[in-house]
Amino acid sequence: AQSVTQLGSHVSVSEGALVLLRCNYSSSVPPYLFWYVQYPNQGLQLLLKYTSAATLVKGINGFEAEFKKSETSFHLTKPSAHMSDAAEYFCAVSERDSASKIIFGSGTRLSIRP
Amino acid sequence: ETGVTQSPTHLIKTRGQQVTLRCSSQSGHNTVSWYQQALGQGPQFIFQYYREEENGRGNFPPRFSGLQFPNYSSELNVNALELDDSALYLCASSLLNNEQFFGPGTRLTVL
Repeated sequence: AQSVTQLGSHVSVSEGALVLLRCNYSSSVPPYLFWYVQYPNQGLQLLLKYTSAATLVKGINGFEAEFKKSETSFHLTKPSAHMSDAAEYFCAVSERDSASKIIFGSGTRLSIRP
Repeated sequence: ETGVTQSPTHLIKTRGQQVTLRCSSQSGHNTVSWYQQALGQGPQFIFQYYREEENGRGNFPPRFSGLQFPNYSSELNVNALELDDSALYLCASSLLNNEQFFGPGTRLTVL
């Protein structure tokens, strides 16, 4: 069975600092991996996805994530945090042969200090 | 191009009642997936409809049911509401096995 573990339910960084949100996955088959962002009272927006092309995936708003098979990780980073990055972030996984069912992690709330 | 829309935005029901939530998919999409997001948790997959047929179901009881219409819009029905059904219900539309686009959700409160 597939699963996703997000380390840290809340991360706080200063504006301009590096953002690092951690995600580890478990899958018996090579997975698709995703990061979504959710702003208050809104739905989910796809930040980026890994589908077996380059292991370093670049997304929107300056975010990127690196797929590391040996570590079963897919951590999300951004070099310099902006106040507008404050939101809930979800790591997610789905099976290669069925992108229909997405398994989400429990989420990490990112706060940005001025 | 119109995005995914959901109605209503908020809903309050009492235990034991029934509720219907609606989702209009993005133009050109033929697949709708429904997710339940309890407070402080990640979304959980309820089921998916593809061309009016159920195409996968998560670990939810039969009192959660759905429909997809010829125009690919969809309904989520929940019977015999329980307090734990209080959550944000998200709908996502897509082409089968492609990126899912999420609506803003319906916030259901069961008292």
